Amino acid sequence: NAGVTQTPKFQVLKTGQSMTLQCAQDMNHEYMSWYRQDPGMGLRLIHYSVGAGITDQGEVPNGYNVSRSTTEDFPLRLLSAAPSQTSVYFCASSFGQGRTEAFFGQGTRLTVV
Amino acid sequence: AQSVAQPEDQVNVAEGNPLTVKCTYSVSGNPYLFWYVQYPNRGLQFLLKYITGDNLVKGSYGFEAEFNKSQTSFHLKKPSALVSDSALYFCAVRSQDNYGQNFVFGPGTRLSVLP
Repeated sequence: NAGVTQTPKFQVLKTGQSMTLQCAQDMNHEYMSWYRQDPGMGLRLIHYSVGAGITDQGEVPNGYNVSRSTTEDFPLRLLSAAPSQTSVYFCASSFGQGRTEAFFGQGTRLTVV
Repeated sequence: AQSVAQPEDQVNVAEGNPLTVKCTYSVSGNPYLFWYVQYPNRGLQFLLKYITGDNLVKGSYGFEAEFNKSQTSFHLKKPSALVSDSALYFCAVRSQDNYGQNFVFGPGTRLSVLP
């Protein structure tokens, strides 16, 4: 049981490049989400999904795109990387909403130069 | 709007002493409250949660937290700190309204347990 798997673990991009951060979970969780972690700011929600085919914006969605074609996968796309997107990105999943805790991946450390 | 405050950026405690990491929250309706821990270069790990019922919640690794509705607080505690407890701790809230979809996290508190 791998839980939540994120790839890659580290990435350096040049300004303007695009890339996709991968996230997969094997727990048959309905709810998946992407956060970015910046010093002193906690985790901020980028996008989330309550099930396959359903996505919605979080607190800081600009510059990011998501899709959810399967229950297992929830990739995050950076359309045109900017230095402000330098951050640590975490994917999380939970069985449902409300009272259920989330399981987190190990994170992707992204640097945009 | 939901929000979480962790008033201390850093908490230092000697090994063997009790520790407290503070959290206050603001949410419409009743809250679901969570504590997570993050070790260096790792994702967040779930410690414990308050859903309803007993205000004292026990969790992993000897941690517990006390829910206080009147003070809108959910402080994390441990009777005897270990050096291995040194990590970054996050408090999070979900509202029971609107199906409680999204977590709101506090900024985190770095706990250092000194030998």
